[in-house]
Amino acid sequence: AQSVTQLDSQVPVFEEAPVELRCNYSSSVSVYLFWYVQYPNQGLQLLLKYLSGSTLVKGINGFEAEFNKSQTSFHLRKPSVHISDTAEYFCAVSDSGAGSYQLTFGKGTKLSVIP
Amino acid sequence: GAGVSQTPSNKVTEKGKYVELRCDPISGHTALYWYRQSLGQGPEFLIYFQGTGAADDSGLPNDRFFAVRPEGSVSTLKIQRTERGDSAVYLCASSLSVGETQYFGPGTRLLVL
Repeated sequence: AQSVTQLDSQVPVFEEAPVELRCNYSSSVSVYLFWYVQYPNQGLQLLLKYLSGSTLVKGINGFEAEFNKSQTSFHLRKPSVHISDTAEYFCAVSDSGAGSYQLTFGKGTKLSVIP
Repeated sequence: GAGVSQTPSNKVTEKGKYVELRCDPISGHTALYWYRQSLGQGPEFLIYFQGTGAADDSGLPNDRFFAVRPEGSVSTLKIQRTERGDSAVYLCASSLSVGETQYFGPGTRLLVL
């Protein structure tokens, strides 16, 4: 079984400032890692995913994340945020084997971009 | 093309009633998933279909919950004898095949009074 911890429930940041949303996971097996974004009244949209290979993963809208196996982390970063980035962000994990279909999500981090 | 659609978008019902929630996956996607998102929580896995069969229903909370996908496309999540604790957003997702990227619908917000 896996678990995901998103330590920050809310993150306020000024427009054009950098942001980091933290995600730590726990698993006894190899994992796949994901970040999803949820805009108000919309479904979850995949930002980026780590399956294998390079530990630095680039996604849509200028976001990137780095897989750190030793620290069991997959933090999301953006060098300069826009108002339109205001949304809730979910980190998720699945095992990399037969159970890869089952995503386990964190509780989410609400990013508020202040003009 | 169209994404995953879910109907209704909102459902209000009374405790003890029966409800059905519908999910239309992306055309051609063979895998379909249901998740439940309670207030302040991330989505939690309920059930997964590969084609017409439920490959894993281990996330269904109890036997009041049941889901079908009779023709391998549209799926219906059925909840009998609803309880106030069933109030949540029910999310559906689909993927081209198992293990591929899951695409989520907008969800059905269920409120049990």
